[in-house]
Amino acid sequence: GDSVTQMEGPVTLSEEAFLTINCTYTATGYPSLFWYVQYPGEGLQLLLKATKADDKGSNKGFEATYRKETTSFHLEKGSVQVSDSAVYFCALSDRVDKLIFGTGTRLQVFP
Amino acid sequence: DTEVTQTPKHLVMGMTNKKSLKCEQHMGHRAMYWYKQKAKKPPELMFVYSYEKLSINESVPSRFSPECPNSSLLNLHLHALQPEDSALYLCASSPGGGLVTEAFFGQGTRLTVV
Repeated sequence: GDSVTQMEGPVTLSEEAFLTINCTYTATGYPSLFWYVQYPGEGLQLLLKATKADDKGSNKGFEATYRKETTSFHLEKGSVQVSDSAVYFCALSDRVDKLIFGTGTRLQVFP
Repeated sequence: DTEVTQTPKHLVMGMTNKKSLKCEQHMGHRAMYWYKQKAKKPPELMFVYSYEKLSINESVPSRFSPECPNSSLLNLHLHALQPEDSALYLCASSPGGGLVTEAFFGQGTRLTVV
């Protein structure tokens, strides 16, 4: 079945460090891919998305490229801030009206 | 406007109570979802409504009863819950009718069953 695998956390970084959070997927078709962010005590916010191979999603300095050949959608940011501390979820949709989430990766950024 | 509004934000209920969670969106989306999220876990899909009809029920116990009165509203009726049902309940919406190309979530209702 369809699935999303994310790197274990927490990821701990100093402010202004480079961030990569790995995400790989298994799907039978051509899924849409997403990154969501969840701040403590809040719901999920759509961070970025890509709906076909080689698309690059970007928002607020975060980027991810849909790589069909490696079935990956890694999240990157060139310089993280303390305010980026949150849980990041990779997700895919490979079925009508269904969204599947990875286990989430907690990011902690220290000044 | 990409807002999904959930009420209430917090709810404490006893195991014999009946309560309802409400969700509203005005993006013209035709698919609406209920997810359950336990602490430090990803959201788990419970129900999907597509064009106001229940299209996915992920084997959720009958003490949870969803309802979609119209294309903008989604309710989750709760009855005879157990303490292990305590969680963050998230509502989401997407355009509907195909692969999800975008989905927006509400802030959630934090439910405590005592």
